This record gives sequence, structure tokens and C-alpha cells, in this order.
Amino acid sequence: ETGVTQSPTHLIKTRGQQVTLRCSSQSGHNTVSWYQQALGQGPQFIFQYYREEENGRGNFPPRFSGLQFPNYSSELNVNALELDDSALYLCASSSRTRGDTGELFFGEGSRLTVL
Amino acid sequence: AQKVTQAQTEISVVEKEDVTLDCVYETRDTTYYLFWYKQPPSGELVFLIRRNSFDEQNEISGRYSWNFQKSTSSFNFTITASQVVDSAVYFCALIGGGGYQKVTFGIGTKLQVIP
Repeated sequence: ETGVTQSPTHLIKTRGQQVTLRCSSQSGHNTVSWYQQALGQGPQFIFQYYREEENGRGNFPPRFSGLQFPNYSSELNVNALELDDSALYLCASSSRTRGDTGELFFGEGSRLTVL
Repeated sequence: AQKVTQAQTEISVVEKEDVTLDCVYETRDTTYYLFWYKQPPSGELVFLIRRNSFDEQNEISGRYSWNFQKSTSSFNFTITASQVVDSAVYFCALIGGGGYQKVTFGIGTKLQVIP
């Protein structure tokens, strides 16, 4: 168990709605990354937050946004949901003080279904 | 741009057989890190190994071994004497330069170990 917790674990939305996914990072970790994993695919990098600021973004439209809080927990918000947004959303936490070695610890994910 | 290719999408082996999962990567960075993750049905990505680009020594951990060959840009993963509990999707991944910890994943190899 990594200590990274995500909520909710499963949810169903309809097209056009908005969704917020939450992630509590592992104790001592100051960096949170979000990934989208479509069925049968590898995870795709959405963005990363470090010290409450976005610190890198993948090829995702602006309707994907996020926040990081002072306790390093994070939210992923997706507006105007589309059918293709159906996926497993994974949160990963890491400690920047260890350098960019990529010791990422993943949560179990939030499975979003858009109808 | 970075790319990770896992040509084997699905592999089935009989328990106790050895199996090798292939991974080929592309990056222009001189410093990078390679990873293998295991994803059981629960969805959580389980870290297996990290290797930096300057360390080409092969590694063995119990029934697992990894063969890193920079000359062919490959980082293959072998499971010896496979067990049913090894059944999962395995991802090869890469972190290059860029100042943030964006992980580029392959598409994954689904391994089924048949009793």
C-alpha cells in the first residue's frame, strides 16, 4: 500500500457535466501528478502540481484543471465532460526533495464513466 | 519526444514457465530513468524497478530480472518460474529531462499465467 488515496473510486456522469476527483498524497510528498488511463492503454500524463502550482502539463485541453492545497492534497476537475473522458484517473505523489528520480507512488485510481 | 514501445500486448504462459516482457524506448535526453510497473486488477500501479541511464548493470530480484541495453534502447523484464499471482498488466515507463517528473508509459503487456 502506497499511502496515496483517491476518491471517489467509481463514478458515473453524463456528457456536459463537471467532475472533481480528489487525491491525498503520501505523507511527506510535495508533488502530485495526474494521469488518465483509457481502457487498454497506458497512463497518459495530464499535469503535475508542485507547491500548489502547475509544474508541467501534457496534451490535455484547458477543461482539465487542477489544484494543490497547502497540505499537498490535490483535485482534478474536468468540465464539459465528453464520452472519451471515460477512463481510470490515477494520482501519483512524490517528493521533490529527492530530485527528479521519479519515485512515484500511485493510488488505486478513480474510474469515471461518462454516459 | 519520448516514446516507449511494448510490442507484446498479451502473453499467456503456463505456470512455472519463464517469460520475458520486451520494452524499447526512445528519448533524446542523455539522462533518463526507466521503470517497470505492475498493475493488478485493482488498478493501482505497483513500482517494480527504476534504472538510470548511466547504470547498465542487469538486476535480479528474486524471480524478477531486468536486462538494460543502451545500445539497443531496450529494457526487458524476465519473470522466472512464473506464478498465477504474476498475472497482471505490466508497464514499461520512462522519465527524461524537462524539470518535472512526467512519466511516459508504454501501452502495457497483459500477462496471463495459467495454472
